[in-house]
Amino acid sequence: DTGVSQDPRHKITKRGQNVTFRCDPISEHNRLYWYRQTLGQGPEFLTYFQNEAQLEKSRLLSDRFSAERPKGSFSTLEIQRTEQGDSAMYLCASSSLTGNQPQHFGDGTRLSIL
Amino acid sequence: AQKITQTQPGMFVQEKEAVTLDCTYDTSDPSYGLFWYKQPSSGEMIFLIYQGSYDQQNATEGRYSLNFQKARKSANLVISASQLGDSAMYFCAMREDLSNFGNEKLTFGTGTRLTIIP
Repeated sequence: DTGVSQDPRHKITKRGQNVTFRCDPISEHNRLYWYRQTLGQGPEFLTYFQNEAQLEKSRLLSDRFSAERPKGSFSTLEIQRTEQGDSAMYLCASSSLTGNQPQHFGDGTRLSIL
Repeated sequence: AQKITQTQPGMFVQEKEAVTLDCTYDTSDPSYGLFWYKQPSSGEMIFLIYQGSYDQQNATEGRYSLNFQKARKSANLVISASQLGDSAMYFCAMREDLSNFGNEKLTFGTGTRLTIIP
């Protein structure tokens, strides 16, 4: 049973560049979530998919952020025109549709903006 | 108001002793769930234990138990017989309005850094 996989683990980029992260959930999980975690804080919810449908988006998800899950399997999170404040750990999680199952997290992608 | 409050930024505990990590929450929903996660220095979030608001008994998972006091809105994590590998950040989280399947987000506290001393 493979866990949630995120790629890349680390990304360093210059301010103004676009970046894209990928998340592969646990294979039988219908729900997929993105969170952002800054230093010294708990994760903050960004968005959530059930299969390919994006059902909820946080106000934190500005128009520079876009997330997709085109075939209901893997998901991508793109940040356009990155800013210093985007530096954070981006965490992906997945869960099954059954009951109140916990969200299982990947190792995260750490983004550093120069 | 903070939805999840963890008042202990850091704790130091002797190996083999029990430790209680505090968590209080704020919600007006009658149906909610409380989760505890462990985050080692490597970064991954590891699910530990879950308590539903309607669960009659406190949740237990191995060395982890949840001291759920609904009237006080507290959900403290108890780790028995602590081990060196328990050193990590611990986060309390809540999902509100469980009857609404469209409301899936977890709200996290700021965490407690636990250090186990040999």
